[in-house]
Amino acid sequence: AQSVAQPEDQVNVAEGNPLTVKCTYSVSGNPYLFWYVQYPNRGLQFLLKYITGDNLVKGSYGFEAEFNKSQTSFHLKKPSALVSDSALYFCAVRGGGGGGSQGNLIFGKGTKLSVKP
Amino acid sequence: ETGVTQSPTHLIKTRGQQVTLRCSSQSGHNTVSWYQQALGQGPQFIFQYYREEENGRGNFPPRFSGLQFPNYSSELNVNALELDDSALYLCASSLRSGTTDTQYFGPGTRLTVL
Repeated sequence: AQSVAQPEDQVNVAEGNPLTVKCTYSVSGNPYLFWYVQYPNRGLQFLLKYITGDNLVKGSYGFEAEFNKSQTSFHLKKPSALVSDSALYFCAVRGGGGGGSQGNLIFGKGTKLSVKP
Repeated sequence: ETGVTQSPTHLIKTRGQQVTLRCSSQSGHNTVSWYQQALGQGPQFIFQYYREEENGRGNFPPRFSGLQFPNYSSELNVNALELDDSALYLCASSLRSGTTDTQYFGPGTRLTVL
């Protein structure tokens, strides 16, 4: 069964420093991986996805993620954190779906990112 | 903003009641997925609709049901509400293209069951 794990409940970073939010995955077949961000009392916003190709994926708001097949990881990164990046971040993998669906996403529990001035 | 809208924003119901949540897809999208996000958890897949038919279901009982309309908007219905149904319900729309399509989420409906 497909699954993702986010090993850190919270990540604390000083503004201007690089940030990394970790994600590992377990899939049968090719992994299709996503990162979403959720601000308080809001829905999820899409940041980036890995389907195939380059292992470094660039996304919205200066975020990027590095796909590592041997380590089954898909860590989210940003070279210089902003206070406004403080939010809840979710890693997700495309599930096999039920009833033939390819459509569902399987989410991790989320990592709270706190960026201090 | 994604262009996916949901109504209502908040809802309070009592145990045993029924509720209908609504979702309007982003223009051009033909697929709608519904998720339940309990407090402190990641979203859990409820079901997906494509071309007005259920196209996959997560581990949710039959009292969770849905509809998709010809304009690709959608409803989530929950019967016989239980206290554990209290959660944020998220709708996501996408343009189906195999396994690579991206789901865009609405702001959610916060359901509280008393």
